[in-house]
Amino acid sequence: KQEVTQIPAALSVPEGENLVLNCSFTDSAIYNLQWFRQDPGKGLTSLLLIQSSQREQTSGRLNASLDKSSGRSTLYIAASQPGDSATYLCAVKKGGSYIPTFGRGTSLIVHP
Amino acid sequence: NAGVTQTPKFQVLKTGQSMTLQCAQDMNHNSMYWYRQDPGMGLRLIYYSASEGTTDKGEVPNGYNVSRLNKREFSLRLESAAPSQTSVYFCASSEGRGGNTIYFGEGSWLTVV
Repeated sequence: KQEVTQIPAALSVPEGENLVLNCSFTDSAIYNLQWFRQDPGKGLTSLLLIQSSQREQTSGRLNASLDKSSGRSTLYIAASQPGDSATYLCAVKKGGSYIPTFGRGTSLIVHP
Repeated sequence: NAGVTQTPKFQVLKTGQSMTLQCAQDMNHNSMYWYRQDPGMGLRLIYYSASEGTTDKGEVPNGYNVSRLNKREFSLRLESAAPSQTSVYFCASSEGRGGNTIYFGEGSWLTVV
């Protein structure tokens, strides 16, 4: 059974720091990995989707990398801002499966 | 762009009452999902519908039923609500099997007293 772990569970940083969020998964036979952002009281918003054949994806100040062989993905946030404060979740999907497996998320606070 | 729309957003039920959560997507997606999210438990899949006309149990289906009314709509029914079903419920959709983005609704906050 696929297990997805996100460490740390919570993170508090000052504004302007570059930071890395981690996502690890136990079964490397994935089809894709997706990073989401969840604001308090809101649903999940997709940030980046990495297919298994890709090594990274970038969107603005966000960069997500994928290392299937080691079962790891990182979400890099450059020059963090208070508006980046949210919970970040990753989810992996196996080939042929309809069902993604989610991590429990990293709660990020960026303070001014 | 509507995306995935859930109703109601908030609901308070008494133990034993029934209710239906509605979900609709306008992206012509084949697959739809219902999750619940509880503190410390993360997202747990209740039911999913791989395509119109099919539904399957997820991780925590007990106490729930679903209907895939058509390609757009996927409803979740609580027949006899229990306090343990107090949670935030999310509907989601995706193109289907394979490497497609999953889109979520804004959530429905349900309290059972």
